[in-house]
Amino acid sequence: GESVGLHLPTLSVQEGDNSIINCAYSNSASDYFIWYKQESGKGPQFIIDIRSNMDKRQGQRVTVLLNKTVKHLSLQIAATQPGDSAVYFCAENSGETSGSRLTFGEGTQLTVNP
Amino acid sequence: KAGVTQTPRYLIKTRGQQVTLSCSPISGHRSVSWYQQTPGQGLQFLFEYFSETQRNKGNFPGRFSGRQFSNSRSEMNVSTLELGDSALYLCASSLDGANEKLFFGSGTQLSVL
Repeated sequence: GESVGLHLPTLSVQEGDNSIINCAYSNSASDYFIWYKQESGKGPQFIIDIRSNMDKRQGQRVTVLLNKTVKHLSLQIAATQPGDSAVYFCAENSGETSGSRLTFGEGTQLTVNP
Repeated sequence: KAGVTQTPRYLIKTRGQQVTLSCSPISGHRSVSWYQQTPGQGLQFLFEYFSETQRNKGNFPGRFSGRQFSNSRSEMNVSTLELGDSALYLCASSLDGANEKLFFGSGTQLSVL
């Protein structure tokens, strides 16, 4: 079946640096993508989303880039802070069914060093 | 506005028992989805309910079931528990579930002994 995967299981950065978390997806029918942040003991928290008719979307300190040609999604975090330390998941909605059915990637553990 | 509320927060059961988990979505949200999270398999979709009807279903055995009430609150049930059912069960809600962000609860941590 289709799946969403992440290139790196862990990422360590220095406070103040920019972070880039990558995600590869395989379902060309996917039309909606979303990034979540999960801290220990909590449920996933929405960060930013993007639809397949867009290449880039910006939020507060975060940017999501979508490259449909190579089926690649990335999350950029500017000026990374210790509070950004968490596991980050990308997810896709294939659009093959009505409603919601997200397929999640494996997650990347981001560690921000002071 | 209150977030997604899941109860109980922790649960310990033994093999063969059954369990019911509860989820109260954000007020006004009509779509409720359930996910299972384990270290080995990650986040996996169980099912989605909308207007009291199961709209989508993941690849889990029939021991996993759910329902949604007229007030959009949802329950999921796991019968004949197995050790492998130990996981964090997450509930998420959205307005209508179609290509929009889901808001997750903190989950119910189920341990099967």
